Amino acid sequence: EAEVAQSPRYKITEKSQAVAFWCDPISGHATLYWYRQILGQGPELLVQFQDESVVDDSQLPKDRFSAERLKGVDSTLKIQPAELGDSAMYLCASRDRLRWGELFFGEGSRLTVL
Amino acid sequence: AQSVTQLDSQVPVFEEAPVELRCNYSSSVSVYLFWYVQYPNQGLQLLLKYLSGSTLVESINGFEAEFNKSQTSFHLRKPSVHISDTAEYFCAVSENNNDMRFGAGTRLTVKP
Repeated sequence: EAEVAQSPRYKITEKSQAVAFWCDPISGHATLYWYRQILGQGPELLVQFQDESVVDDSQLPKDRFSAERLKGVDSTLKIQPAELGDSAMYLCASRDRLRWGELFFGEGSRLTVL
Repeated sequence: AQSVTQLDSQVPVFEEAPVELRCNYSSSVSVYLFWYVQYPNQGLQLLLKYLSGSTLVESINGFEAEFNKSQTSFHLRKPSVHISDTAEYFCAVSENNNDMRFGAGTRLTVKP
C-alpha cells in the first residue's frame, strides 16, 4: 500500500540551529500539505502546494520557515533558526486531485528544540 | 474563516458501550466535514466524510456521523465500541476545495 514518507522521524536540536524535514507524497498526488501539530492540539496548516506552486502559506511564519516543492513531487520544510516554541510534530499529507477531502498523512517528524 | 470545536478532549468508555464524540463547526458558507482517526504510533487517516447528499454517513468499521446544519454539528457515534477503537479522533471542516481545518482532537480510550 502506498504511503507518504517523512524523514527524519525524530529530530532534537538546539535553538538557533537550522532543521529540515523531507516528505515524499504518494505517487501521482498533486496536492501536498505541511501541518504542525503541537501536543494536545489539532493539526495546523502551514503550507499547501498544488504541484510545484504554493496555494496557501498564510499561516507559515515566513521569517524563519520556508517550504519548497521544486519538481512537484517531494517537498522540504525548513526552519532557520529554530526556537523553543517550534517543538511539535510536523505532518505531511497528500491528496489525489480527484478524491476530494481524503488526505493521506505520513507518520510525522517530531521536533524537539532545546 | 471556518473553525472546529471538539467539545471533549478525552472520552473513556467500557468495551461494548455506545460512544458519541462531539464536533461543532463555525462557518458562514457551505462546508464539507470530515472525521480523521489516529491510532497509536500511526499517521492520521480518513474515517468518514460528508460532502453532500444524505446527512448520515458511515465508516466501514461501524462509526457514523450526522451532519446537522441547524446545530452546526457533525457528531461521531458508534453503538458498541471495541478495544481496537482506542485512538485520537479529529473533526475537520473545509469551506472550499483546498483548505482543511482540524479540531483539537478527542482521545477515545476503550477499557475492558
